[in-house]
Amino acid sequence: AQSVTQPDIHITVSEGASLELRCNYSYGATPYLFWYVQSPGQGLQLLLKYFSGDTLVQGIKGFEAEFKRSQSSFNLRKPSVHWSDAAEYFCAVAPYFNTGKLIFGQGTTLQVKP
Amino acid sequence: DGGITQSPKYLFRKEGQNVTLSCEQNLNHDAMYWYRQDPGQGLRLIYYSQIVNDFQKGDIAEGYSVSREKKESFPLTVTSAQKNPTAFYLCASSSQTLPGELNEQFFGPGTRLTVL
Repeated sequence: AQSVTQPDIHITVSEGASLELRCNYSYGATPYLFWYVQSPGQGLQLLLKYFSGDTLVQGIKGFEAEFKRSQSSFNLRKPSVHWSDAAEYFCAVAPYFNTGKLIFGQGTTLQVKP
Repeated sequence: DGGITQSPKYLFRKEGQNVTLSCEQNLNHDAMYWYRQDPGQGLRLIYYSQIVNDFQKGDIAEGYSVSREKKESFPLTVTSAQKNPTAFYLCASSSQTLPGELNEQFFGPGTRLTVL
């Protein structure tokens, strides 16, 4: 069955440090891939998405993600974290492109130290 | 402003009662979705609808029901048959998906349901 794994439940980084959040998926073909961010008690906001083409994708708020087919990964990165980046981050996969259904990972909570 | 509204933000229910969560969108999107979020479990799909008057069960549809009588509205009813309804519920929508194409989902602010 298709699945998405975010190995890190909780990550703490210092403000100004670099960040990498991991995402691995299990699916035969290349799926559609997304990263969403959620502030406490709020809905989800799309950071970036990958459908095809260049495997390095740029998103909003200075985030980027790299699709690596050989590793079935779609890791999210940011060169310098700001205190406002503290939130929960979700990786999602859409294996059934004609229904729009998404499968979400468990989420990674990011804490930023001053 | 275009977007998705969910009401109410907080909802309290006694055991054995049905309750309906509202979801309205003015984005002119064809597809709408309902997700349930529990700590440490990510989002799980309850129901989705790709077109008016049609909807399909998601991964955890038991104890829930939906209707899609209007394009802009997709209410979710949590019935008394749902054994553990306390959760954060999120509604989303996306534009029509053509073969080989996928459009992102836009999310509402969510409704937190607590069963007393």
